[in-house]
Amino acid sequence: ETGVTQTPRHLVMGMTNKKSLKCEQHLGHNAMYWYKQSAKKPLELMFVYSLEERVENNSVPSRFSPECPNSSHLFLHLHTLQPEDSALYLCASSQERDSSEFFGPGTRLTVL
Amino acid sequence: ELKVEQNPLFLSMQEEKNYTIYCNYSTTSDRLYWYRQDPGKSLESLFVLLSNGAVKQEGRLMASLDTKARLSTLHITAAVHDLSATYFCAVGPRDDKIIFGKGTRLHILP
Repeated sequence: ETGVTQTPRHLVMGMTNKKSLKCEQHLGHNAMYWYKQSAKKPLELMFVYSLEERVENNSVPSRFSPECPNSSHLFLHLHTLQPEDSALYLCASSQERDSSEFFGPGTRLTVL
Repeated sequence: ELKVEQNPLFLSMQEEKNYTIYCNYSTTSDRLYWYRQDPGKSLESLFVLLSNGAVKQEGRLMASLDTKARLSTLHITAAVHDLSATYFCAVGPRDDKIIFGKGTRLHILP
């Protein structure tokens, strides 16, 4: 499989649930990103990892917890989310920070 | 606080015409990005501009950056229907948060 994959593609969860979003890239890239796209707000860059170290955390609430165990995988752990966290969560990777990114298809999250 | 303003937000244009999308931002920044999004699809990275005067071109799209004017432009030459999409710019200083514009929805009429 090539490119950037995300699982699951759709997720419905209650406010008390804990779930994780997974992103995998098969491009040999060194940087990975989480973005949030909701209907009512501009796109947000949430987290940036470069060489498995978090290099940017853009004022994201602690109920979102990223994890980058290796350069090919990125997770977003979710717990006690709010309905306003319902959004499309996009993962991306790039060869290095500030080079062109390749995006996954996204996970459509609904929080009830 | 950094503010990013794109205009226009909506643009309907004829094929073969030229047009420009503007991205203005409020504070000094050294990173500017352009993205494309088709309806119901993920994002596509178009250009990364990292220095004053940077100009990049890909097909019918050309992006430029003027850091002194705090302005980037995305110029479309001889538009074709396939370029219909929403275009986003994003701006951010190297040690601070990246902020996205609201996007420009471009509709190219055959």
